[in-house]
Order: sequence, then structure tokens, then C-alpha cells
Amino acid sequence: SAVISQKPSRDICQRGTSLTIQCQVDSQVTMMFWYRQQPGQSLTLIATANQGSEATYESGFVIDKFPISRPNLTFSTLTVSNMSPEDSSIYLCSVLGQGNTEAFFGQGTRLTVV
Amino acid sequence: DQQVKQNSPSLSVQEGRISILNCDYTNSMFDYFLWYKKYPAEGPTFLISISSIKDKNEDGRFTVFLNKSAKHLSLHIVPSQPGDSAVYFCAASADYGGSQGNLIFGKGTKLSVKP
Repeated sequence: SAVISQKPSRDICQRGTSLTIQCQVDSQVTMMFWYRQQPGQSLTLIATANQGSEATYESGFVIDKFPISRPNLTFSTLTVSNMSPEDSSIYLCSVLGQGNTEAFFGQGTRLTVV
Repeated sequence: DQQVKQNSPSLSVQEGRISILNCDYTNSMFDYFLWYKKYPAEGPTFLISISSIKDKNEDGRFTVFLNKSAKHLSLHIVPSQPGDSAVYFCAASADYGGSQGNLIFGKGTKLSVKP
């Protein structure tokens, strides 16, 4: 299994500001995934971050709104830019386990935008 | 359009009895299915999975059944324990572990096991 440290665990932010969420993994991984869980909704993939290349964004998500960094094989950041109350969600980073048979998640960042 | 559906937002079960959580999917390309458990203020943790080539997978108190013709899977927990109280997410993937690694999640079912 992989141990994923994600921070901050929660934050309350003013609209129009940006928040950067960090994700640290205890082992080297090729792909890291960022998910969002809006209230009452399922987890939705935002983007896939590969080291050394630009992140791949899912439909409905754009780099200007959710810039991602992946400086090395154990670390990634997701920034939520120019926040609005609609961005209030839980954001989770995830990696695939050995053998790519299941995904492991960080504890999540609960973001509230006021 | 939701590809993975968990139609029961909540389920309440007595301790010691069986909990059955259901999940339906629409995409026939899904070939791998997973169940995750999530406690408040924690990320989802992997529970059990099943490949589309199987119809049953068992791990201790947890068993997942897959009915491909009905595009339906279920998670059975027996006997249920109060510590099982959590939100359970069903997830599915096509070409899991390949270039995508994308999991499609249901909205979750909140299980409450009463002592």
C-alpha cells in the first residue's frame, strides 16, 4: 500500500483567492490523480499528473482553474484558482497501488469558499 | 449521465446481521470494479475488488458479487459490526491500470450499523 500525506486537511478561503493543496507519497509513482467530491456527489477525476509532462485534464476541468505541478515522482500540488463558493468541495489526491489493482487516497482537503 | 449508480443513499442494519450495498453501472466497457469505505475526515480506503471475469470475490466478512448481464454488483458484509459504519463507494474502470487509471465513482451509500 501507499501512504499519502495531503495538506491542508481543511481550509476556509475568501472568494477570488487561490489555494494550493499538497500531496506527498511515500514511494515513487508514475501517475498521481486529483479528485473532487462536491457535497452529495460522487468523486470526480479532475486530472492525471505525470512527472515531467503536463497534466491531463478531464472534461469540464481546465488548467487555468486547476493548475497542477508534478516536480518529482513523490509529490504533486493542485491549485484551486480564483475560487468561488461553487469550488467548496473535498479534494483528494490518489495513486495506484503496486500492480495497478487499486487506488490509494490521501485524507482529503475540505475546502470551504465564503 | 451517471455511469455508476448507488441508488440507496443510506442503509441501516442491526449489528450481526448482513449488510447488502448495491451498485449499478451502464458502461459495458467497465472491466474492473472496486468498493471503497470512507470515514468522516478521511480519504477513501480500498476494501475489495472484482474483475469482470469473475462473479464473486470474498475477503473475510466482505463479499462482492458481480452480475454482468444485469450490470449490477453488490457488497455483502456479514456479520455487520458497528465499526463498519461509514460511507461505501462503488467504483468502476475500463482498462484499469492502463494509461487511464480513471475510476468512476458512485455517490456512495452511508451504512449505519446499530449495536
